[in-house]
Amino acid sequence: EAQVTQNPRYLITVTGKKLTVTCSQNMNHEYMSWYRQDPGLGLRQIYYSMNVEVTDKGDVPEGYKVSRKEKRNFPLILESPSPNQTSLYFCASRNGQGGLETQYFGPGTRLLVL
Amino acid sequence: AQTVTQSQPEMSVQEAETVTLSCTYDTSESNYYLFWYKQPPSRQMILVIRQEAYKQQNATENRFSVNFQKAAKSFSLKISDSQLGDTAMYFCAFILSGAGSYQLTFGKGTKLSVIP
Repeated sequence: EAQVTQNPRYLITVTGKKLTVTCSQNMNHEYMSWYRQDPGLGLRQIYYSMNVEVTDKGDVPEGYKVSRKEKRNFPLILESPSPNQTSLYFCASRNGQGGLETQYFGPGTRLLVL
Repeated sequence: AQTVTQSQPEMSVQEAETVTLSCTYDTSESNYYLFWYKQPPSRQMILVIRQEAYKQQNATENRFSVNFQKAAKSFSLKISDSQLGDTAMYFCAFILSGAGSYQLTFGKGTKLSVIP
C-alpha cells in the first residue's frame, strides 16, 4: 500500500529536549515536505526536499532542521523545542514538481511542548 | 508570493442540502493548479478535487464540483447532497505549474458542519 508514515503520532516533551519526528514514504517519491498546522492559520510549510541531499526552507523554518540522506526518509528535528512549536505536523511526498502529481500526506504528529 | 484566502472560518449546512465554500487567491502567474483538501476529525488530509488553471472546464468529482473563475481569481467548492461524513475542515491550496515549483500554499481553512 502506498503510504507516508510518521512517528511518533503523539508526543509530549519539555522545553529544550531535542526530538526527532520521522517520516518515511514507500513510493520512491523525489519530493518531500513538512508542514505545521495551527488553528486559524492553516498549513504552513516548514522545509522541503527536492531529492537526496537537497533541501530548502519553507515559510516557517525557524527552530527546525531536516535531513534527506535517503530518498524514502525525511526526518524533522527540533534541537531545542519551545512551547510555540506545539502544533500538528504533517509530512508529505509526491513525485515531481508542480501540481500534476498527487501529494500524499502522512497521518500527522501532534506535538505538545511544555 | 502567492496567497490563498478563505473568508469563511465556519459554515453549516443541513443534510442533503447544497453548500458552497469560497476561496480566492492572488498570483501574477498564469499556469498553476488549485486544490481542495478535506480534513475530517481523524486529521488525515484527503484530496477532494484538483483544477488546472489552463482548463476552462470546471472540475467535478461526484458530489463535489468547483466554480473556477480565473479572471476573478476565485475557486469555490460546491458540495451537493451534503452528508454527515462531509463534516470536516476544508482547505483550499495553490501551486504553480512546472519546473522549480515546490511550494503548496494553503488557505486557513473552513470548518464545515453537516447538521442532521
